[in-house]
Amino acid sequence: NAGVTQTPKFQVLKTGQSMTLQCAQDMNHEYMSWYRQDPGMGLRLIHYSVGAGITDQGEVPNGYNVSRSTTEDFPLRLLSAAPSQTSVYFCASKGGLLNTGELFFGEGSRLTVL
Amino acid sequence: AQKVTQAQTEISVVEKEDVTLDCVYETRDTTYYLFWYKQPPSGELVFLIRRNSFDEQNEISGRYSWNFQKSTSSFNFTITASQVVDSAVYFCALGPNAGNMLTFGGGTRLMVKP
Repeated sequence: NAGVTQTPKFQVLKTGQSMTLQCAQDMNHEYMSWYRQDPGMGLRLIHYSVGAGITDQGEVPNGYNVSRSTTEDFPLRLLSAAPSQTSVYFCASKGGLLNTGELFFGEGSRLTVL
Repeated sequence: AQKVTQAQTEISVVEKEDVTLDCVYETRDTTYYLFWYKQPPSGELVFLIRRNSFDEQNEISGRYSWNFQKSTSSFNFTITASQVVDSAVYFCALGPNAGNMLTFGGGTRLMVKP
């Protein structure tokens, strides 16, 4: 009963460091996405993917890279972390016809960039 | 472009009071989906409801009810006889027909005091 699994749950980085947030789902969902949550701004879409080999930008893609080599995994890469990327990151997946089902979220990853 | 507005950033009520959380949306799509999610203090995001734009019937689930009014572009959420466990941040979200770009409102923090 895993659903969407994100690692790590907490991470502290120094400005300029790189890291990858991992996301895996076991529901065979075609659609996966990454959101960031900042106080008062709700969740904003960073990148999404509608299937293996296909990715697209969301509302706030700058500073982030993604890839989708398998249906299960959708890692989010920060190549050169900046303090503005301090946030809580959520990975989510969904299925359903035309991907209109509910989003299933991971537990979140809290990232602090010093 | 899509937009979701939750004008109430924070609401405080006393247990057993009824409370309504407002959600107003903007979209040019004729077919779309609306969602509500709950984020308790533990941080995870919990799906509450999905409603498509063709279905304007109100829905009731226990103490929760939702009022969808297409004429005013609103999808309000009412909790009847609130309980302390209802304390959370609640997010309204809007998705297009193809379901790829879910847009969230800024969230409403509900505090239910005993």
